[in-house]
Amino acid sequence: EAQVTQNPRYLITVTGKKLTVTCSQNMNHEYMSWYRQDPGLGLRQIYYSMNVEVTDKGDVPEGYKVSRKEKRNFPLILESPSPNQTSLYFCASTNGLTQFFGPGTRLTVL
Amino acid sequence: GENVEQHPSTLSVQEGDSAVIKCTYSDSASNYFPWYKQELGKRPQLIIDIRSNVGEKKDQRIAVTLNKTAKHFSLHITETQPEDSAVYFCAASTQGAQKLVFGQGTRLTINP
Repeated sequence: EAQVTQNPRYLITVTGKKLTVTCSQNMNHEYMSWYRQDPGLGLRQIYYSMNVEVTDKGDVPEGYKVSRKEKRNFPLILESPSPNQTSLYFCASTNGLTQFFGPGTRLTVL
Repeated sequence: GENVEQHPSTLSVQEGDSAVIKCTYSDSASNYFPWYKQELGKRPQLIIDIRSNVGEKKDQRIAVTLNKTAKHFSLHITETQPEDSAVYFCAASTQGAQKLVFGQGTRLTINP
């Protein structure tokens, strides 16, 4: 089954404790993105990657890092999480025609 | 960069009536306009999209119209049903489905 997966689905952590949210797709898509969703703000792009080892900032990149060492994986890294990063995060991949979203990761930073 | 404004933020209609959600965009180079539906606790799902070489597209009870001159596009849902209740997002992109800029979302409630 073609899909985008994310882990973990839910995470509660404390300020400053490094964390990684994994994202994987099995559709051989070159383009992948991370979004955060906050009430009243829609989905905002954090980072995107156009291919292996090619990443670039989206609209709200501050406080986040990404890497793309393999085509299928695109992890999101928060090296020192802060409460304002409490949000719902979605990974997505696209074949250029349609964007597919992962199930989401609800992150709470205390 | 691109900016997308979506209205209204909430919309309540009677079952069987029509619902219309409108979006405006700022970048005249945008060429791809998808609409996503997000049910509570779920991921956004593409319901319909339109590209800049087309003015209107229909899929059963759902239609999207695009006015490139005015830089706005709209989602029309006819004969609404309770399962249409969800949050709907519009988006625009200058790079196909790659770099989407989303509107703020519309919470649609269908009243029985």
